[in-house]
Amino acid sequence: QKEVEQNSGPLSVPEGAIASLNCTYSDRGSQSFFWYRQYSGKSPELIMFIYSNGDKEDGRFTAQLNKASQYVSLLIRDSQPSDSATYLCAVKRGPNTGNQFYFGTGTSLTVIP
Amino acid sequence: GAVVSQHPSRVICKSGTSVKIECRSLDFQATTMFWYRQFPKKSLMLMATSNEGSKATYEQGVEKDKFLINHASLTLSTLTVTSAHPEDSSFYICSARDLRLYDTQYFGPGTRLTVL
Repeated sequence: QKEVEQNSGPLSVPEGAIASLNCTYSDRGSQSFFWYRQYSGKSPELIMFIYSNGDKEDGRFTAQLNKASQYVSLLIRDSQPSDSATYLCAVKRGPNTGNQFYFGTGTSLTVIP
Repeated sequence: GAVVSQHPSRVICKSGTSVKIECRSLDFQATTMFWYRQFPKKSLMLMATSNEGSKATYEQGVEKDKFLINHASLTLSTLTVTSAHPEDSSFYICSARDLRLYDTQYFGPGTRLTVL
């Protein structure tokens, strides 16, 4: 079982719609959860991180965490063509299980004008 | 956020030569930096974890004698690709671990290596 799993996509949404990106993780002791955006040919850029159960909003982005289900998601409201990129989910384990970061393989998102 | 730089951004070299890539944390100190490589349309692959003042920890299958890592200061880690071959051509990306507020990784802009 992989540490972090994401649907590779591609996910296509029309401009203005909500894009929903999902991620599951295997280690129940994981503490921190991150979403990175990677444009083609560029390095990953941190969008958001979340530590507590529930929702965290930042502009058009909302991260949702459900530790009981070991599930984290990223919602992008009012999707724009400039949001077209690969989105990487990352999880950091807690200090009792190594404190290491694990990345998913990414979900490719295309926003259609 | 935090700023991480990499130099050079792009390098072309002949087969058999060595190439050094620098990774710097510009506005914070990083005791831990990471080196990744990424092939086109593929996911990130962690190569090694670089720890300031100690030896790097390499992932399984990564040759430590070929990919030399030195983390000599709290703001600089270097990756040297020794005796480069065309199959080493890839996108190399470093990241630095920022512990100031939250334990977070910030990525450098990457170095595109082409070995002829």
